[in-house]
Amino acid sequence: GQQLNQSPQSMFIQEGEDVSMNCTSSSIFNTWLWYKQDPGEGPVLLIALYKAGELTSNGRLTAQFGITRKDSFLNISASIPSDVGIYFCAGRNGGSQGNLIFGKGTKLSVKP
Amino acid sequence: GAGVSQSPRYKVAKRGQDVALRCDPISGHVSLFWYQQALGQGPEFLTYFQNEAQLDKSGLPSDRFFAERPEGSVSTLKIQRTQQEDSAVYLCASSSGTVNTEAFFGQGTRLTVV
Repeated sequence: GQQLNQSPQSMFIQEGEDVSMNCTSSSIFNTWLWYKQDPGEGPVLLIALYKAGELTSNGRLTAQFGITRKDSFLNISASIPSDVGIYFCAGRNGGSQGNLIFGKGTKLSVKP
Repeated sequence: GAGVSQSPRYKVAKRGQDVALRCDPISGHVSLFWYQQALGQGPEFLTYFQNEAQLDKSGLPSDRFFAERPEGSVSTLKIQRTQQEDSAVYLCASSSGTVNTEAFFGQGTRLTVV
């Protein structure tokens, strides 16, 4: 099925570092969402974006809805160990109840 | 309950068996979604209900997959004659249906077909 291009696929973080990941699509979306998924759990919503150009923060997390409506990024500032996990972007074309298209995820791990 | 509840958490099925996966959405949520998540991939949309009406089933991969929500609350995803490629985590999500409110996901059911 259709998926978004999410990068990087994986990254290692050291506590205190800033982290950035992004998502691109060939299609226009009217909603961008960012989720975090821990092992054995369902995705948990971090940030929702509904307008092109919108920049939204949730604590140490900041996300932006690209002006072209085909991309979004998520930044995590001053990372902490509990930030490890898999982050997914998701886009939606339809109304608020339309189905989501997910990226393949960015896996955050702690540097050995 | 407080969140979306799915059962069983884990299911092992022999190839060719039928399985039924249950989803209890958050009380009062009118919208319910099913997603399939293969190992190392993001979730992929299967089907969507608004109350008891199945409004979108475009993501169901074959006619072996069937979903229902007869009373507009609990939903069941049924897979007939399971195949190895059906092995995945099946996620259910529900939402209130209000504009710009997003769905909450359950923990998922991990299906392994052997």
